[in-house]
Amino acid sequence: EVQVVESGGGLVKPGGSLRLSCEASGFTFTKAWMNWVRQVPGKGLEWVGRIKSETDGGTTDYAAPVKGRFTISRDDSKNTLYLQMNSLKTDDTAVYYCTTGIWAGDGTVDYWGRGTLVTVSS
Amino acid sequence: SSELTQDPAVSVALGQTVRITCQGDSLRSYYPSWNQQKPGQAPVVVIYGKSSRPSGIPDRFSGSRSGNTASLTITGAQAEDEADYYCSSRDSSGHWVFGGGTKLTVL
Repeated sequence: EVQVVESGGGLVKPGGSLRLSCEASGFTFTKAWMNWVRQVPGKGLEWVGRIKSETDGGTTDYAAPVKGRFTISRDDSKNTLYLQMNSLKTDDTAVYYCTTGIWAGDGTVDYWGRGTLVTVSS
Repeated sequence: SSELTQDPAVSVALGQTVRITCQGDSLRSYYPSWNQQKPGQAPVVVIYGKSSRPSGIPDRFSGSRSGNTASLTITGAQAEDEADYYCSSRDSSGHWVFGGGTKLTVL
């Protein structure tokens, strides 16, 4: 069973930093492209960024609002994805989801974790 | 444009058919996924690819696409289908884009 479990959320002051983790199981993590998506409570979904598999270059890509402040990384030995968030703003308050797409033969199915809440407030 | 546009809210009578639409330029090149989100829960994909359903998703859910518009159809809507539905796709940069979501009410 494909599972991704986020952790590391919490309350942080504006300008502060936080690192989120996402532990993956049930699929070949080393081959997976991984994403972070966030959702302000009561609002819609927003893509944060993506990291490719190491075999595909391991490169990262980010949405404009977080570029230069957030860094996505992965540790394939631990089947774990990370999101380092620096210079946090109140607008970054959201539930952060870890997601991956698994090829199902007739398309890619996206799997979501339960999310972890990040609150940026003084 | 890399944006996807959805109607904010749609309602359907119990047992009737409802269509939720999503518009955007990226849909000319990429099939969308349709994500169902119930209050307090993570999104779950109900349709992906041309019109495929993950295991466990009822066959009353189906998808279609024409030009820059994609549709999610629920044939015989049930009370448990009441949720927010988000379309998602990739844009030309490979970035993931989402529609603003449609709140489905089952009357």
